[in-house]
Amino acid sequence: DVKVTQSSRYLVKRTGEKVFLECVQDMDHENMFWYRQDPGLGLRLIYFSYDVKMKEKGDIPEGYSVSREKKERFSLILESASTNQTSMYLCASRKSGSPYNEQFFGPGTRLTVL
Amino acid sequence: QQQVKQSPQSLIVQKGGISIINCAYENTAFDYFPWYQQFPGKGPALLIAIRPDVSEKKEGRFTISFNKSAKQFSLHIMDSQPGDSATYFCAASNSGGSNYKLTFGKGTLLTVNP
Repeated sequence: DVKVTQSSRYLVKRTGEKVFLECVQDMDHENMFWYRQDPGLGLRLIYFSYDVKMKEKGDIPEGYSVSREKKERFSLILESASTNQTSMYLCASRKSGSPYNEQFFGPGTRLTVL
Repeated sequence: QQQVKQSPQSLIVQKGGISIINCAYENTAFDYFPWYQQFPGKGPALLIAIRPDVSEKKEGRFTISFNKSAKQFSLHIMDSQPGDSATYFCAASNSGGSNYKLTFGKGTLLTVNP
């Protein structure tokens, strides 16, 4: 059974802290994604990685960075957390070349920045 | 610029009724249109998808209708059940470009009353 796991379900941090969100997939997928989900705004792409050590900005990359040192792991980094980064963060992965472009999502990390 | 517009934002249906969610897109290069279903506390999961070479795709009680000339597609849930209560996202992608990117609508919260 395919699986995408995220390191924390809930996280509370303070303004200015450096925050790491970890995502691991066990499907040997090349592509990985980070989204944030906010009520009324849907899913917005922050960053994606089409292969190890490769990354591209999504639609809302400001205030975030990412790291992909291994194929199975994709990390989202908030260099200096701010209250407007309070959100649900979703990680997803996809098999490169998949004809159906299906993305498999993790359960999400709800981050609160105080 | 919102490339995929989804409506309604929320929908309440009685058990046994038909749920209809609509999406419209702007980019004529889009050629893959999936619907994702998200239950509370879970990540979204692919429900059903269509390519523009067909006008309709049916899987069980779920049907996608596609109108290429109008650049619209919709999800119909027949005989809606309380277990269908979830948030539904339409999405679109262009397999000729960055085919690993999905553009999502803002989501529809469906409530099916018993």
